[in-house]
Amino acid sequence: KQEVTQIPAALSVPEGENLVLNCSFTDSAIYNLQWFRQDPGKGLTSLLLIQSSQREQTSGRLNASLDKSSGRSTLYIAASQPGDSATYLCAVNSGYSTLTFGKGTMLLVSP
Amino acid sequence: EAGVAQSPRYKIIEKRQSVAFWCNPISGHATLYWYQQILGQGPKLLIQFQNNGVVDDSQLPKDRFSAERLKGVDSTLKIQPAKLEDSAVYLCASSLNSAETQYFGPGTRLLVL
Repeated sequence: KQEVTQIPAALSVPEGENLVLNCSFTDSAIYNLQWFRQDPGKGLTSLLLIQSSQREQTSGRLNASLDKSSGRSTLYIAASQPGDSATYLCAVNSGYSTLTFGKGTMLLVSP
Repeated sequence: EAGVAQSPRYKIIEKRQSVAFWCNPISGHATLYWYQQILGQGPKLLIQFQNNGVVDDSQLPKDRFSAERLKGVDSTLKIQPAKLEDSAVYLCASSLNSAETQYFGPGTRLLVL
Protein backbone atom coordinates (compact mmCIF):
# COMPACT_ATOMS: atom_id res chain seq x y z
CA LYS A 1 0.00 0.00 0.00
CA GLN A 2 1.42 3.36 -1.06
CA GLU A 3 2.08 5.85 1.74
CA VAL A 4 3.01 9.49 1.19
CA THR A 5 4.71 11.63 3.83
CA GLN A 6 5.26 15.37 3.69
CA ILE A 7 7.77 17.30 5.76
CA PRO A 8 7.50 19.78 7.35
CA ALA A 9 3.85 19.84 8.40
CA ALA A 10 3.99 23.62 8.68
CA LEU A 11 6.45 26.29 7.62
CA SER A 12 6.61 30.02 8.25
CA VAL A 13 9.04 32.22 6.30
CA PRO A 14 9.51 35.93 5.61
CA GLU A 15 8.73 37.24 2.16
CA GLY A 16 11.52 36.82 -0.38
CA GLU A 17 12.98 33.62 1.00
CA ASN A 18 13.54 30.54 -1.14
CA LEU A 19 12.08 27.39 0.36
CA VAL A 20 11.83 23.64 -0.16
CA LEU A 21 8.94 21.34 0.62
CA ASN A 22 9.61 17.62 0.86
CA CYS A 23 7.56 14.60 -0.12
CA SER A 24 8.46 10.92 0.25
CA PHE A 25 6.62 7.80 -0.87
CA THR A 26 7.05 4.15 0.00
CA ASP A 27 6.45 2.39 -3.34
CA SER A 28 8.68 3.61 -6.17
CA ALA A 29 6.49 1.97 -8.85
CA ILE A 30 4.64 5.15 -9.75
CA TYR A 31 3.24 6.61 -12.97
CA ASN A 32 3.56 10.25 -11.98
CA LEU A 33 3.67 12.63 -9.04
CA GLN A 34 1.70 15.81 -8.70
CA TRP A 35 1.95 18.88 -6.49
CA PHE A 36 -1.26 20.71 -5.57
CA ARG A 37 -2.06 23.91 -3.77
CA GLN A 38 -5.09 24.23 -1.49
CA ASP A 39 -6.36 27.58 -0.20
CA PRO A 40 -8.62 27.64 2.88
CA GLY A 41 -12.18 26.63 2.05
CA LYS A 42 -11.32 25.89 -1.56
CA GLY A 43 -10.53 22.95 -3.74
CA LEU A 44 -7.15 21.86 -5.02
CA THR A 45 -5.23 23.53 -7.82
CA SER A 46 -2.69 21.48 -9.73
CA LEU A 47 0.75 23.15 -9.77
CA LEU A 48 3.09 20.66 -11.41
CA LEU A 49 2.90 17.08 -12.68
CA ILE A 50 6.06 15.02 -13.12
CA GLN A 51 5.91 11.81 -15.12
CA SER A 52 7.88 8.86 -13.76
CA SER A 53 10.40 9.21 -16.60
CA GLN A 54 11.11 12.86 -15.79
CA ARG A 55 13.47 14.34 -13.24
CA GLU A 56 11.93 17.78 -12.82
CA GLN A 57 9.29 20.24 -13.95
CA THR A 58 9.29 24.03 -13.75
CA SER A 59 6.54 26.61 -13.78
CA GLY A 60 7.45 30.20 -13.03
CA ARG A 61 8.93 30.38 -9.54
CA LEU A 62 8.13 26.73 -8.86
CA ASN A 63 10.41 23.79 -9.53
CA ALA A 64 9.55 20.21 -8.66
CA SER A 65 12.05 17.36 -8.74
CA LEU A 66 11.51 13.62 -8.65
CA ASP A 67 13.90 10.86 -7.57
CA LYS A 68 11.80 7.76 -8.11
CA SER A 69 14.43 5.29 -6.97
CA SER A 70 14.73 6.90 -3.55
CA GLY A 71 11.01 7.67 -3.30
CA ARG A 72 11.41 11.42 -2.95
CA SER A 73 10.19 14.66 -4.49
CA THR A 74 10.83 18.27 -3.61
CA LEU A 75 8.96 21.44 -4.43
CA TYR A 76 11.20 24.50 -4.59
CA ILE A 77 9.59 27.93 -4.36
CA ALA A 78 11.82 30.85 -5.27
CA ALA A 79 11.43 34.37 -3.88
CA SER A 80 8.35 33.52 -1.83
CA GLN A 81 5.43 35.99 -1.67
CA PRO A 82 2.53 36.37 0.80
CA GLY A 83 0.22 35.11 -1.96
CA ASP A 84 2.06 31.79 -1.82
CA SER A 85 0.54 31.15 1.63
CA ALA A 86 -1.52 27.96 1.33
CA THR A 87 -1.35 24.23 1.99
CA TYR A 88 0.76 22.30 -0.50
CA LEU A 89 -0.16 18.68 -1.16
CA CYS A 90 1.91 16.00 -2.83
CA ALA A 91 0.04 13.17 -4.59
CA VAL A 92 1.39 9.98 -6.14
CA ASN A 93 -0.30 8.13 -8.99
CA SER A 94 0.48 4.45 -8.61
CA GLY A 95 -1.80 3.26 -11.38
CA TYR A 96 -5.29 3.60 -12.86
CA SER A 97 -5.02 7.33 -11.99
CA THR A 98 -5.63 6.63 -8.29
CA LEU A 99 -3.93 9.40 -6.35
CA THR A 100 -2.50 8.87 -2.87
CA PHE A 101 -2.08 12.17 -1.06
CA GLY A 102 0.20 13.28 1.74
CA LYS A 103 -1.19 15.32 4.62
CA GLY A 104 0.25 18.50 3.22
CA THR A 105 2.58 21.30 4.29
CA MET A 106 0.92 24.49 5.53
CA LEU A 107 2.98 27.45 4.32
CA LEU A 108 2.77 30.97 5.70
CA VAL A 109 4.75 33.74 4.02
CA SER A 110 4.77 36.91 6.07
CA PRO A 111 5.25 40.38 4.52
CA GLU B 1 -13.94 27.19 -19.51
CA ALA B 2 -16.15 26.52 -16.49
CA GLY B 3 -14.60 24.50 -13.70
CA VAL B 4 -15.98 21.63 -11.66
CA ALA B 5 -19.17 22.70 -9.88
CA GLN B 6 -20.34 21.30 -6.57
CA SER B 7 -23.37 21.91 -4.38
CA PRO B 8 -24.18 22.55 -1.68
CA ARG B 9 -21.04 24.26 -0.40
CA TYR B 10 -21.92 23.63 3.25
CA LYS B 11 -24.23 21.18 5.01
CA ILE B 12 -24.97 20.59 8.67
CA ILE B 13 -26.98 17.52 9.65
CA GLU B 14 -27.55 15.35 12.69
CA LYS B 15 -26.20 11.83 12.91
CA ARG B 16 -28.38 9.15 11.35
CA GLN B 17 -29.79 11.64 8.85
CA SER B 18 -29.14 11.31 5.13
CA VAL B 19 -27.40 13.80 2.84
CA ALA B 20 -26.60 14.08 -0.86
CA PHE B 21 -23.95 16.02 -2.73
CA TRP B 22 -23.97 16.96 -6.39
CA CYS B 23 -21.10 17.40 -8.84
CA ASN B 24 -21.03 18.74 -12.39
CA PRO B 25 -17.65 18.01 -14.02
CA ILE B 26 -15.90 19.99 -16.72
CA SER B 27 -17.60 19.46 -20.04
CA GLY B 28 -16.13 16.55 -21.98
CA HIS B 29 -14.33 15.01 -19.02
CA ALA B 30 -14.89 11.27 -19.03
CA THR B 31 -13.40 10.53 -15.61
CA LEU B 32 -14.98 11.72 -12.37
CA TYR B 33 -13.71 11.25 -8.82
CA TRP B 34 -15.13 11.74 -5.33
CA TYR B 35 -12.68 12.33 -2.49
CA GLN B 36 -13.15 12.66 1.27
CA GLN B 37 -10.82 15.09 3.07
CA ILE B 38 -10.89 14.98 6.85
CA LEU B 39 -9.46 18.01 8.65
CA GLY B 40 -5.66 17.86 8.71
CA GLN B 41 -5.48 14.99 6.20
CA GLY B 42 -4.95 14.71 2.49
CA PRO B 43 -7.90 13.76 0.27
CA LYS B 44 -8.81 10.08 0.13
CA LEU B 45 -10.40 8.62 -3.00
CA LEU B 46 -13.89 7.25 -2.41
CA ILE B 47 -14.95 6.35 -5.93
CA GLN B 48 -13.82 6.83 -9.54
CA PHE B 49 -16.11 6.75 -12.58
CA GLN B 50 -15.14 6.33 -16.20
CA ASN B 51 -18.15 7.71 -18.09
CA ASN B 52 -21.02 6.09 -16.16
CA GLY B 53 -19.12 3.00 -15.03
CA VAL B 54 -17.33 2.50 -11.70
CA VAL B 55 -13.55 1.99 -12.01
CA ASP B 56 -12.58 1.96 -8.34
CA ASP B 57 -14.79 2.04 -5.25
CA SER B 58 -12.53 0.01 -2.98
CA GLN B 59 -12.45 2.71 -0.27
CA LEU B 60 -16.14 3.58 -0.37
CA PRO B 61 -18.00 2.50 2.83
CA LYS B 62 -20.73 0.78 0.89
CA ASP B 63 -22.93 0.13 3.91
CA ARG B 64 -23.70 3.85 4.09
CA PHE B 65 -22.23 5.60 1.06
CA SER B 66 -23.51 5.36 -2.51
CA ALA B 67 -22.71 7.23 -5.69
CA GLU B 68 -24.00 7.30 -9.21
CA ARG B 69 -23.18 9.01 -12.46
CA LEU B 70 -26.18 8.61 -14.68
CA LYS B 71 -25.65 9.48 -18.35
CA GLY B 72 -21.92 9.85 -17.68
CA VAL B 73 -22.06 13.54 -16.78
CA ASP B 74 -23.30 14.77 -13.37
CA SER B 75 -22.77 12.69 -10.28
CA THR B 76 -24.33 12.44 -6.84
CA LEU B 77 -22.79 11.08 -3.65
CA LYS B 78 -25.14 10.03 -0.85
CA ILE B 79 -24.58 9.16 2.79
CA GLN B 80 -27.32 7.29 4.63
CA PRO B 81 -27.24 7.23 7.62
CA ALA B 82 -24.52 9.73 8.48
CA LYS B 83 -22.10 9.23 11.37
CA LEU B 84 -20.09 11.78 13.32
CA GLU B 85 -16.87 10.61 11.63
CA ASP B 86 -18.30 11.52 8.20
CA SER B 87 -17.65 15.18 9.00
CA ALA B 88 -15.25 16.23 6.26
CA VAL B 89 -14.93 18.08 2.98
CA TYR B 90 -16.16 16.09 0.00
CA LEU B 91 -14.26 16.99 -3.15
CA CYS B 92 -15.25 16.17 -6.69
CA ALA B 93 -12.67 16.13 -9.46
CA SER B 94 -12.72 15.38 -13.17
CA SER B 95 -10.23 14.70 -15.93
CA LEU B 96 -10.33 14.17 -19.69
CA ASN B 97 -9.35 10.58 -19.09
CA SER B 98 -7.65 8.61 -16.35
CA ALA B 99 -4.15 9.62 -17.50
CA GLU B 100 -4.71 13.38 -17.46
CA THR B 101 -4.53 16.02 -14.74
CA GLN B 102 -7.45 16.07 -12.33
CA TYR B 103 -9.33 19.35 -11.82
CA PHE B 104 -11.00 19.82 -8.46
CA GLY B 105 -14.19 21.55 -7.46
CA PRO B 106 -14.48 23.78 -4.34
CA GLY B 107 -15.84 20.94 -2.22
CA THR B 108 -18.81 20.46 0.07
CA ARG B 109 -18.08 20.92 3.76
CA LEU B 110 -20.19 18.49 5.85
CA LEU B 111 -20.65 18.73 9.60
CA VAL B 112 -22.45 15.88 11.35
CA LEU B 113 -23.68 16.71 14.86
